[in-house]
Amino acid sequence: QSALTQPPSASGSPGQSVTISCTGTSSDVGGYNYVSWYQQHPGKAPKLMIYEVSKRPSGVPDRFSGSKSGNTASLTVSGLQAEDEADYYCSSYAGSDNENVFGTGTKVTVL
Amino acid sequence: EVQLVESGGGLVQPGGSLRLSCGASGFTFSTYWMHWVRQAPGKGLVWVSRITSDGSRTNYAASVKGRFTISRDNAKNTLYLQMNSLRVEDTAVYYCALSGGYNKYQNWGQGTLVSVSS
Repeated sequence: QSALTQPPSASGSPGQSVTISCTGTSSDVGGYNYVSWYQQHPGKAPKLMIYEVSKRPSGVPDRFSGSKSGNTASLTVSGLQAEDEADYYCSSYAGSDNENVFGTGTKVTVL
Repeated sequence: EVQLVESGGGLVQPGGSLRLSCGASGFTFSTYWMHWVRQAPGKGLVWVSRITSDGSRTNYAASVKGRFTISRDNAKNTLYLQMNSLRVEDTAVYYCALSGGYNKYQNWGQGTLVSVSS
């Protein structure tokens, strides 16, 4: 099972928006509405930001939103803040054999 | 508060074995599926293994199938990963994660580092 494809980096100024794409196949992203996104600060464990494509766990700011079209999912961070600078990983369910597959990761820089 | 605490990592030679543990608290451990996810130094996240709430069904990534065994002791609120025939490419931080649904890792441990080197 190949990793989902994400851009290596993305950036924006404080207050701006940044959108990260996550491209898979019809066997993962396109086949299920089980896409999640994780934020990871250096040396820390990942944190769930979005699940089931667009749902936010309690405590996650509504500046974070998710969507999906075909085989590509997206995470948008609106109103960028300094603390949003981190690595972001998408993940998709890929069926009972392959379970879950992660993306290659995107480093978000707040300029 | 949900807490997941991994232990058991360390330095091991290629071909060696290690058993990782993940102690859970703050939730009803026996009702949740659990996963192991790893991250090689400077690399991305990779799913390793999954176990159902009662331990009856397991699943593994192709890269570890036949070498790693996931298990749990619900009486001790502990998740395990027995790793045999370790390879250099198994070097990574290993995280245990609580699954709140399909592809929903809602809580993570702090991770434990496994280094495989001669």
